[in-house]
Amino acid sequence: DIVMTQSPDSLAVSLGERATINCKSSQSVLYSSNNKNYLAWYQQKPGQPPKVLIYWASTREFGVPDRFSGSGSGTDFTLTISSLQAEDVAVYYCQQYYTTPLAFGGGTKVEIK
Amino acid sequence: QVQLVESGGGVVQPGTSLRLSCAASGFTFSNYGLHWVRQAPGKGLEWVAFISYHGNNKYHADSVKDRFTISRDNSKNTLYLQMNSLSAEDAAVYYCAKNPSPDYGGNSYFDDWGQGTLVTVSS
Repeated sequence: DIVMTQSPDSLAVSLGERATINCKSSQSVLYSSNNKNYLAWYQQKPGQPPKVLIYWASTREFGVPDRFSGSGSGTDFTLTISSLQAEDVAVYYCQQYYTTPLAFGGGTKVEIK
Repeated sequence: QVQLVESGGGVVQPGTSLRLSCAASGFTFSNYGLHWVRQAPGKGLEWVAFISYHGNNKYHADSVKDRFTISRDNSKNTLYLQMNSLSAEDAAVYYCAKNPSPDYGGNSYFDDWGQGTLVTVSS
């Protein structure tokens, strides 16, 4: 089974500053036949279900602000919020969909400093 | 637009059973694979099970295998999760979630989620 590890567990960032969240998979989620990384990022606000932000590691879901970006390949991935807004306060999760059982990282809580 | 509405949660005693439902609308239900994902109070997300669009392919997490069964009724646009032998570790909000397109099987991310239904296991 693939294990997803996120860091940090939480971070506090000033409004307008950059937030960076890391996600590491225990084995590669890059499928060589199509050169795609089977990695998604979600945002979850209190009392709400998760919302997909990024899939294929770097493709932004329709309607997601461009301050959110995903990068990385193989086993190491990053979600970056380029200029933190108040509405970005949430918990962020990565998820691998390379193989079942599907797996999520433990989550990173983003707060305003 | 897509709507996924879970129901059937509640307070149950350890060792008992419960069946969750997820009523879907706003898309061609019979074309899409579907999942159950759970979240224990204050904890992270855990994938539980997947069922293919026709119901022939099913995958369950090891933590629920042999106790939980995912199923669907395409004539009723409804997804189910039969949960048996419930324990305190199964207490969570249970979400149904949808594949982003008919091209996806079990190896998928989720583009739409329901609001969840809470299962509490307590004696």
